[in-house]
Amino acid sequence: DGGITQSPKYLFRKEGQNVTLSCEQNLNHDAMYWYRQDPGQGLRLIYYSQIVNDFQKGDIAEGYSVSREKKESFPLTVTSAQKNPTAFYLCATSQRGGGLKSSYNSPLHFGNGTRLTVT
Amino acid sequence: KQEVTQIPAALSVPEGENLVLNCSFTDSAIYNLQWFRQDPGKGLTSLLLIQSSQREQTSGRLNASLDKSSGRSTLYIAASQPGDSATYLCAVNDMRFGAGTRLTVKP
Repeated sequence: DGGITQSPKYLFRKEGQNVTLSCEQNLNHDAMYWYRQDPGQGLRLIYYSQIVNDFQKGDIAEGYSVSREKKESFPLTVTSAQKNPTAFYLCATSQRGGGLKSSYNSPLHFGNGTRLTVT
Repeated sequence: KQEVTQIPAALSVPEGENLVLNCSFTDSAIYNLQWFRQDPGKGLTSLLLIQSSQREQTSGRLNASLDKSSGRSTLYIAASQPGDSATYLCAVNDMRFGAGTRLTVKP
């Protein structure tokens, strides 16, 4: 059954600790994305990757880091430098990377999210 | 910088009514616009994707239109049902999302 798995569903951390959120996909999609959603707001792009071993910053990359060593995996680390880390984090994939003509008809597919609470 | 706005923030309608959700964007240089549905505490489900060269897309009771010159897209839902209750978000170029419209369909 193809899909995107985000784990864990809920995550609690103390302030000052780094934490890594997992995103795994078996859709064989090239592009992967991380978004953050705060209550009553739309999604904001943190990082995205169009191909293995390459990734670009989104609008709010400060305090976050990513890696893309495998096509299937795109983990997100929330570092202690992120001032307001408590949020709902969503991972998405698309068949082709954004900005390419071949991606114009490639919809985003989302995981079920990880809710991170930092106290 | 592209800004995406959705108005209204919330909408409540009786079952069976036809309705329109609005999405506005500031930069007409887009390559696609997508509409999504989000249920509480869940991820987003893609409903319709309109490429820049297209004017509309249809799926079942849903119809989405795109007018790049005016910076607007609409999502039309026909014969609404209680199961349509959710938050609907639009996104431009996979990267800019509106805050969503929370729809409630009352039985």
